[in-house]
Amino acid sequence: ILNVEQSPQSLHVQEGDSTNFTCSFPSSNFYALHWYRWETAKSPEALFVMTLNGDEKKKGRISATLNTKEGYSYLYIKGSQPEDSATYLCALFNDYKLSFGAGTTVTVRA
Amino acid sequence: GAVVSQHPSRVICKSGTSVKIECRSLDFQATTMFWYRQFPKQSLMLMATSNEGSKATYEQGVEKDKFLINHASLTLSTLTVTSAHPEDSSFYICSARRGVENTGELFFGEGSRLTVL
Repeated sequence: ILNVEQSPQSLHVQEGDSTNFTCSFPSSNFYALHWYRWETAKSPEALFVMTLNGDEKKKGRISATLNTKEGYSYLYIKGSQPEDSATYLCALFNDYKLSFGAGTTVTVRA
Repeated sequence: GAVVSQHPSRVICKSGTSVKIECRSLDFQATTMFWYRQFPKQSLMLMATSNEGSKATYEQGVEKDKFLINHASLTLSTLTVTSAHPEDSSFYICSARRGVENTGELFFGEGSRLTVL
């Protein structure tokens, strides 16, 4: 099991503000990094699968960047809305398995 | 998107009894399913990889006789917690991979919270 760290553990953001948070992982033997969004009482839902260094992916107001050489990925939420409140998980794919971080829980205040 | 259904969502049982949790892929065939466990404020920890038609592959430290996994069809995997004890109380969640690309996204069930009294 690989050490995947996410920070901060939680954050509160005012509606309309933008925010970002980090996923750190071992940079050696990189294959892929996944981001998932997990709303309370629902199933985790895939946001992005990132494979290339320098990759940037976007889905609506949410985007992610990837730096495989230094071992980190950022997730950005632009103009946060209450429906963005969720726990965001990153997971490193290696050896046919995913190793998850503990997540960043985002609470958007109206 | 693809749908994975997990049942039951909550279960309370007495110490010493066994509990079965089902994970179904509703609209695709899943040759591989994964079972995770999550303790409070911790990350999802992979317990085992469930392969259709063959034995599950367990992660280090996970007792295969304690956590029985059966993947008898391409749409159903089950996890049975045998002779459950209070320390087995946890959140269990399954996921399935659609397609053959190993780096592809996973589709998760809703999870099952087990409480052993």
